[in-house]
Formats: sequence, structure tokens, C-alpha cells
Amino acid sequence: DVKVTQSSRYLVKRTGEKVFLECVQDMDHENMFWYRQDPGLGLRLIYFSYDVKMKEKGDIPEGYSVSREKKERFSLILESASTNQTSMYLCASSPQGQGAYEQYFGPGTRLTVT
Amino acid sequence: KQEVTQIPAALSVPEGENLVLNCSFTDSAIYNLQWFRQDPGKGLTSLLLIQSSQREQTSGRLNASLDKSSGRSTLYIAASQPGDSATYLCAVSTGANSKLTFGKGITLSVRP
Repeated sequence: DVKVTQSSRYLVKRTGEKVFLECVQDMDHENMFWYRQDPGLGLRLIYFSYDVKMKEKGDIPEGYSVSREKKERFSLILESASTNQTSMYLCASSPQGQGAYEQYFGPGTRLTVT
Repeated sequence: KQEVTQIPAALSVPEGENLVLNCSFTDSAIYNLQWFRQDPGKGLTSLLLIQSSQREQTSGRLNASLDKSSGRSTLYIAASQPGDSATYLCAVSTGANSKLTFGKGITLSVRP
């Protein structure tokens, strides 16, 4: 079974802190994704990566950056956390191809910024 | 820009009922459509993936159909159970690298 793990289930940070969310997948997938999920807005793509050191902005990249130094690990970085970044963050991975493969999701990190 | 709509936002049914969840999308040039289940506070679990060349997929009591030309998909749940209570999301892939566009989901409650 594909497994996608996220470093924390719950996280509480203060405004202005630098925050790292880590995601690891064990199926050698090329693609990895970071989403945030908010009530009434659904899931929105923040960033995705299609290879080591490669990244592309999603729909809402402002205030975020990412790092992918190894194939299995994709990190989301909040350089200076703000209260409007309080959300559920979901990581996903998939094999590479012409959109023909399933995305597999991690359990999510509920981030609260106070 | 692809838009995915799921209506209604919430549904409550008695146990044992067969039910249909609807999903519509605006751009028919999709690679695949995926149905997910999400329990409160948890991540997404993939239920079914339908390739653009397929018409339906089945897994146990679940059957998903796809009509690309009309921009619609349905998820059929047979003999619903209280354990089916969750939010069901559909998502479509319209580009390379498997990027998905999600609907906002339908929150299903199955009453014992």
C-alpha cells in the first residue's frame, strides 16, 4: 500500500514564526503536492513538485515556499506565519504520467496560528 | 479554467437507502476523475478512479460513472450504512502531472 505521512497531525504556532511541514512518501512517486483545505473553499493547490528540486506554483502560493531535496520528501515552508494561514494542510503524491494516476493523500496537519 | 461542482452540499438519508452523489465539471478535456472519501479531521481516501476512456468503475457497494461529453459523474452507493457517513469529494485531472481540481464535497449522513 502507498503510504504518505506528514510530520505532525496538529501544530500551534505564533504569528511571525517560520513553520516547516514535512511530507514523506514511500512509493517512489515523482509527483508531490501540497494543498490547504478551508471550510467553504474546498481544497486548493499551493505548490507541486514533479521531480527533485523542481517545483511549480499552484493556485495560492503566496506566503509559502517549498523544498524537495530528496524524491521521497516534500516540505512546505511558511516563512512568517500569519493567522490567515490557519488551516488544514494536506500532502499528496502520485506517479508521473498524463494525469492517468491516482493521487494518494496523507492524514493532514491541522495548523493553528495565534 | 476548470470548475467542479457538487450539489447538494449535504445529504441525510436513512440506513439501507441506495443513493447517488452528483459531480459536474465545466471542461470535458479531462484525463481522469477521482472520487474520495474524507472523515472529519482526516485526510482523503481514494475510492475510485475513472480514466477518461472509461464509462464506469466499481468497488464493492460503490459504482462511479463518467459522462465526459456532458461533464458529469455520479457515485452510486448501494444499501447505505451509518459507516458511510463522511464527506465525498470528486476531483478531475485536466493537465499533465496529475494536478487535480476538486469540488467542495457532499457531506453525507446515514441515519440508523
